[in-house]
Amino acid sequence: KNEVEQSPQNLTAQEGEFITINCSYSVGISALHWLQQHPGGGIVSLFMLSSGKKKHGRLIATINIQEKHSSLHITASHPRDSAVYICAVIYDSNYQLIWGAGTKLIIKP
Amino acid sequence: DAGVTQSPTHLIKTRGQQVTLRCSPKSGHDTVSWYQQALGQGPQFIFQYYEEEERQRGNFPDRFSGHQFPNYSSELNVNALLLGDSALYLCASSLGDLEAFFGQGTRLTVV
Repeated sequence: KNEVEQSPQNLTAQEGEFITINCSYSVGISALHWLQQHPGGGIVSLFMLSSGKKKHGRLIATINIQEKHSSLHITASHPRDSAVYICAVIYDSNYQLIWGAGTKLIIKP
Repeated sequence: DAGVTQSPTHLIKTRGQQVTLRCSPKSGHDTVSWYQQALGQGPQFIFQYYEEEERQRGNFPDRFSGHQFPNYSSELNVNALLLGDSALYLCASSLGDLEAFFGQGTRLTVV
């Protein structure tokens, strides 16, 4: 069982739709990352959260420490948002990022 | 700021050979982590370097070794390459445990 679970695994939506990707983890963490990986492999860090909510452009990330859950939202989605979105956590006793399986997002024009 | 840079971007090696991959961290970052991402899978942690020492290591054999230099740049060495070592190798840098930034990766193909 993966310590970091993401849902959905795959998501296809129409341009303009509001997108939500969810991430759950099992034990206490010091930080949670949302990352974006495009075909070809390059990974971009979108957010690092330890509490509350962060917003950057059309992207919003929230985290609920008590429920051990985080969400990534994309407003007014666009085909260029198509990518794999990955949730990764750093546990309190660990230095490494523990990765979720990723959510493959396709936005159709 | 060039961010995290990795070299080379692509590499083809023959089984049994040795390879060295390089990573220059984002300016001001002192910690470098290496990950292996096989096709269609999530990244797997190889090891992390801090203050020129290996601070933590994932479940990889001793054929995988690394080094961090005084300027915080890092190398990943893989000896006796196997076909299964073909993957995207990602480097991430951070300042301690703060936000990690990733390079574009090195695509290694072992034939």
